Amino acid sequence: SQELEQSPQSLIVQEGKNLTINCTSSKTLYGLYWYKQKYGEGLIFLMMLQKGGEEKSHEKITAKLDEKKQQSSLHITASQPSHAGIYLCGAGNAGGTSYGKLTFGQGTILTVHP
Amino acid sequence: NAGVTQTPKFQVLKTGQSMTLQCAQDMNHEYMSWYRQDPGMGLRLIHYSVGAGITDQGEVPNGYNVSRSTTEDFPLRLLSAAPSQTSVYFCASSYLIRDRGVTEAFFGQGTRLTVV
Repeated sequence: SQELEQSPQSLIVQEGKNLTINCTSSKTLYGLYWYKQKYGEGLIFLMMLQKGGEEKSHEKITAKLDEKKQQSSLHITASQPSHAGIYLCGAGNAGGTSYGKLTFGQGTILTVHP
Repeated sequence: NAGVTQTPKFQVLKTGQSMTLQCAQDMNHEYMSWYRQDPGMGLRLIHYSVGAGITDQGEVPNGYNVSRSTTEDFPLRLLSAAPSQTSVYFCASSYLIRDRGVTEAFFGQGTRLTVV
């Protein structure tokens, strides 16, 4: 079965600093999803990457899937307190066989101090 | 546009009690699934369904039952609650993006369950 490892497990930064969260898979990734979760709330979809080398941005958050499709990075530029939360990467199985089943990393807890 | 609705949001059970967590989606998605979230372990799949009348086990199915009599609803039943089932439960509905061969998932707000 596929396993996802996120690093770091927690991160504390000062407002305005840049940061990167990594997600490494034990197998080739077919569809890598990034979600954000605030405490006590559901998961908010950030973006999905599918092709090796693909990079997507949403406001100050950029995610990239490496060429070999076994690692993704999430980069936040000029962090703000509103970026604080838990970031989760999730992966589906190859093609349409995933049936919506996702494997998740353990999450990265981000704290941004004003 | 409600999306995925879970009820209740919070629940406290005594060991041995049974209960049902409700999940409903109004997006006509084929796939639905239940996850539990525990500290340091991300989300783990409990059960999933690929359509009405079809369910299957995920990674951690023991102690839970599901059924899918309609496309919209996917309830999760705890047969005899145990303290190890204290967790946050998330329901998701998904659909296949056919020309890309991947699914997009939408999550409910979660149910925080404590078993004492």
